[in-house]
Amino acid sequence: QKEVEQDPGPLSVPEGAIVSLNCTYSNSAFQYFMWYRQYSRKGPELLMYTYSSGNKEDGRFTAQVDKSSKYISLFIRDSQPSDSATYLCAMTVSTQNAGNMLTFGGGTRLMVKP
Amino acid sequence: NAGVTQTPKFQVLKTGQSMTLQCAQDMNHNSMYWYRQDPGMGLRLIYYSASEGTTDKGEVPNGYNVSRLNKREFSLRLESAAPSQTSVYFCATRGTGRGYGYTFGSGTRLTVV
Repeated sequence: QKEVEQDPGPLSVPEGAIVSLNCTYSNSAFQYFMWYRQYSRKGPELLMYTYSSGNKEDGRFTAQVDKSSKYISLFIRDSQPSDSATYLCAMTVSTQNAGNMLTFGGGTRLMVKP
Repeated sequence: NAGVTQTPKFQVLKTGQSMTLQCAQDMNHNSMYWYRQDPGMGLRLIYYSASEGTTDKGEVPNGYNVSRLNKREFSLRLESAAPSQTSVYFCATRGTGRGYGYTFGSGTRLTVV
């Protein structure tokens, strides 16, 4: 079983829909949680970063962490065709040292149709 | 300001051939990383370098070597390529601070036949 599980999709939604992307994980020591967006044939770019449990909002994006359930979510409001990409969750135990590896989910491919 | 630059963008190798993937950053970051990305597997760490002159193994180091030539450059070498090394390779850097944001290059698509 992978340490971080993510539904690969594809997830297809109409423009303007609310999108919910999710990851589950097994390592209860994870404390730092990230979402990356990756456009086709590009490198991932950091979208959201959260520490421990709770919500964080940035424009149309909301990241949610539920450590008791080992479950994280990314919500996209008023989705746009430009949001079409693969979304990767990532997490780590600590950010102290360069060697504190990020563990990535496999990514969910999102398609927003005009 | 280019960020992280990787060369080449594409490469086809025959089994047993060798090659070096180049990575250069202009962000003045100490930490640099090499990842590979395979369908459904996410990103897996091959090697990393916490600072100039140091390198350490990641999750999947077998079949690879690295060199941290200076603060800007971190190269990945395949000595004897195998079909299992067909993948997309990403170089990344990380600055200091709690944001822990990696900056990734645009990747090298490698096919080993």
